[in-house]
Amino acid sequence: DAKTTQPPSMDCAEGRAANLPCNHSTISGNEYVYWYRQIHSQGPQYIIHGLKNNETNEMASLIITEDRKSSTLILPHATLRDTAVYYCIVTGTYKYIFGTGTRLKVLA
Amino acid sequence: DAGVIQSPRHEVTEMGQEVTLRCKPISGHDYLFWYRQTMMRGLELLIYFNNNVPIDDSGMPEDRFSAKMPNASFSTLKIQPSEPRDSAVYFCASSLWGGNTEAFFGQGTRLTVV
Repeated sequence: DAKTTQPPSMDCAEGRAANLPCNHSTISGNEYVYWYRQIHSQGPQYIIHGLKNNETNEMASLIITEDRKSSTLILPHATLRDTAVYYCIVTGTYKYIFGTGTRLKVLA
Repeated sequence: DAGVIQSPRHEVTEMGQEVTLRCKPISGHDYLFWYRQTMMRGLELLIYFNNNVPIDDSGMPEDRFSAKMPNASFSTLKIQPSEPRDSAVYFCASSLWGGNTEAFFGQGTRLTVV
């Protein structure tokens, strides 16, 4: 599975969009990009995933560059409850390997 | 569905004792994963099963750790004998088709070995 690189921390003002980047320059053609988040000490929670095309669901949007070497998770209107560690995972196999993620703090 | 259910939620045990953590995956899910989380090492994949068969146990730290899945609705992670460095939060997760579908995580078992 390809390695991912994320900034260790980010701040975002409440109500503004949070844009979380992820670099996965060694991604191969059959690997998906997944995003999970972990709020405090709860179990990780699935957010969204994609292969090539941009994706949107009720929680977030995922923008994948044309060369697939990087992606951005967008939380359109961040709330205090979105404060969490966000993990970007690239996998084409039947397992998820978590990196260190980005600690997002949403500020009131 | 109640989601992935883990028990106990908290476990405190003395060094040298046997510890068994339990997991009930979501009904119909083919894959089951065990993870361990510590401040130092983050979230580590220990082992995963497909249709009750262990597929990859390369993350199991040592022989003191063992995992079983006797049927589709139950899995255990056993540590014998336990050591203080095993203190961590252990998560179980399940998914339909492994790495290409979302995984659902349980609430975890916080293990403290004193």
